Amino acid sequence: SQLAEENSWALSVHEGESVTVNCSYKTSITALQWYRQKSGKGPAQLILIRSNERHNRNGRLRATLDTSSQSSSLSITATRCEDTAVYFCATGRTGGYKVVFGSGTRLLVSP
Amino acid sequence: NAGVIQTPRHKVTGKGQEATLWCEPISGHSAVFWYRQTIVQGLEFLTYFRNQAPIDDSGMPKERFSAQMPNQSHSTLKIQSTQPQDSAVYLCASSLAGSSYEQYFGPGTRLTVL
Repeated sequence: SQLAEENSWALSVHEGESVTVNCSYKTSITALQWYRQKSGKGPAQLILIRSNERHNRNGRLRATLDTSSQSSSLSITATRCEDTAVYFCATGRTGGYKVVFGSGTRLLVSP
Repeated sequence: NAGVIQTPRHKVTGKGQEATLWCEPISGHSAVFWYRQTIVQGLEFLTYFRNQAPIDDSGMPKERFSAQMPNQSHSTLKIQSTQPQDSAVYLCASSLAGSSYEQYFGPGTRLTVL
């Protein structure tokens, strides 16, 4: 079973709206990352949030982490068509090098 | 910085043929990872090198898949006797030593086995 999992398979919003992607994970972690993958490209890291942090921001993106409920969220404000992509959460474990990816949430931003 | 380079971008093979995929990590990155991505299974870890040494190949199908890193500037993933179920996008990523957190991915090689 997946150690990290996004809660929605797909989301659709109109340009300018805000959207939140949620993720839950099953093990203790040292950090959680959010990646974005556009069509035909490899995943690209957006935000890294360590286990002792509660939130982190990167421009229009804001990630939160709740270690008690083992969940994270990624919020995107003022969405743009170019935000259309698959968004993954990924977890890393203490002393490990492996990053385990969820199955991804497909976000469509339409004009 | 050109990022992680993967060649070819697309490869079509017949069932039973061999496929070799190439990856050039970012200069200065000593950790290299290979993943396989399919719609059904998502992103699956295959293998990991650090300073060119194989560290973990637990995700590799044992019989037909092999990976090497002969020097710090490239790694190869070889699939012998390809099968239709090997069809996937194969992604290579690199990171600085000791940091699995910030992996930089290449664009992937889409392998189609007919």
